[in-house]
Amino acid sequence: AQTVTQSQPEMSVQEAETVTLSCTYDTSENNYYLFWYKQPPSRQMILVIRQEAYKQQNATENRFSVNFQKAAKSFSLKISDSQLGDTAMYFCAFVKGGGTSYGKLTFGQGTILTVHP
Amino acid sequence: GAVVSQHPSRVICKSGTSVKIECRSLDFQATTMFWYRQFPKQSLMLMATSNEGSKATYEQGVEKDKFLINHASLTLSTLTVTSAHPEDSSFYICSAETSGGRGDTQYFGPGTRLTVL
Repeated sequence: AQTVTQSQPEMSVQEAETVTLSCTYDTSENNYYLFWYKQPPSRQMILVIRQEAYKQQNATENRFSVNFQKAAKSFSLKISDSQLGDTAMYFCAFVKGGGTSYGKLTFGQGTILTVHP
Repeated sequence: GAVVSQHPSRVICKSGTSVKIECRSLDFQATTMFWYRQFPKQSLMLMATSNEGSKATYEQGVEKDKFLINHASLTLSTLTVTSAHPEDSSFYICSAETSGGRGDTQYFGPGTRLTVL
């Protein structure tokens, strides 16, 4: 079974600053995908960024980037130039790869990020 | 991007009644849909996996007779909470997965807030 751990229940950052959210995971799988999802106060889950485990290059999406350390099973999210709209709960998630249906996401506990003006 | 809708967005019912929540993929066919439950400031807990035309697969500890799931078509899955009680009050979220099995093809609905009086 897979586990995903987010050790920071809450974080805060000033607008325009940079913040890093931590995530570690445990799995015996070699083929998998990792995600960061954002859940703003509206509670709509939004995909922020995705990383394939077989890719060494860290994924980036505009102001969002990850530091994927496969050997250490670490997958942190860096948010640059933080904006007020980044205030949300952030979830790290894992899914096994392979087959025609990747299926079940395993979520971490979540980190509540507050961006202050 | 792919859109998943849920209806209703919020529902209040009396204890002992049944409530049906619909999850629809609006612009794609979903071979697999997932139902989650989320308590305030907590992570998403997977309840069941629903495949079109077959019985749902429930996670351990989830009562299949209480949470009835029907995935009658490639665009619609329903969750019926039978004989609801106050402890069933929660936020229920569905997600839908496209065919093809890529790791980022799970799209989330906006959620349904259930309050049982």
